[in-house]
Amino acid sequence: EVQLVETGGGLVQPGRSLRLSCAASGFTFGNYAIHWVRQVPGRGLEWVIGISWNSDTIGYADSVKGRFTISRDNAKNSVYLQMNSLRPEDTAFYYCAKAGGAGSYFNWFDPWGQGTLVTVSS
Amino acid sequence: EIVLTQSPGTLSLSPGERATLSCRASQSVSGSYLAWYQQKPGQAPRLLIYGASNRATGIPDRFSGSGSGTDFTLTISRLEPEDFAVYYCQQYGRSTKTFGQGTKVEIK
Repeated sequence: EVQLVETGGGLVQPGRSLRLSCAASGFTFGNYAIHWVRQVPGRGLEWVIGISWNSDTIGYADSVKGRFTISRDNAKNSVYLQMNSLRPEDTAFYYCAKAGGAGSYFNWFDPWGQGTLVTVSS
Repeated sequence: EIVLTQSPGTLSLSPGERATLSCRASQSVSGSYLAWYQQKPGQAPRLLIYGASNRATGIPDRFSGSGSGTDFTLTISRLEPEDFAVYYCQQYGRSTKTFGQGTKVEIK
C-alpha cells in the first residue's frame, strides 16, 4: 500500500524555523516527484512547493519563495520541507503528496498524506 | 500563474440528482493537465480525475470529467450520500501548480 506520513508540525513563534518530513512507503520512491500542499483550516488548498524525482526541478509558490526550501533523500524514502522566517499566515495543515506518474514533474497528486498542523503564533 | 475559478461556490442538491461543477482557467491548460479532487471533513484530498477526463483507480463511473483549453467540468451523474463534499480542480502543467477555490456540494 502506498503511504505518505508527515511529521514535524507544531507551534512555532513568528520568525522562527521548522522542518517537516514526509516519509514514504509502498512504491519506488526515487521515481516520483513529491509536493507539499497546505490548507488553512476551513479554507481551500494552496500548492506550496514541489521537487522532481531527481531534484533537478523545484517549484515554489510566490508566497514562500525565499523562505521555504525542499529536499529529498531517496535512500531514506523521505522529503523535507524547511520553513524559515515563518509568519502567522503560514499557519495551516501541510500535506505531502506523491506525483501520480513516474519520471515527470508534471503530474497529478496521488495519494496524499494525512497532514501535519503548523501553527505560527507568539 | 494560471488562476482557476470554480463555480458555483456551493451546490445544494438531493441524493440521486446530477451535479455539474465548473472550473475555468485564466490561460489555456496545456495538455489538459487538469485534475479533480474530493475532500471530506477531516480527511486529505482524494484524486478523482486526471488528464481532464481519466478516472483514477477505484473511482465510480458516476464521476466524469470533460473539457479542454480553459473550460473544464466535473459531473456526478447521480449523487450518492457519500458524494457530499468539497471538490477542487488543479492544473499541473506548469512548474507552479494551482488549485481552484473549491465547490461545496451540500445536501439540499
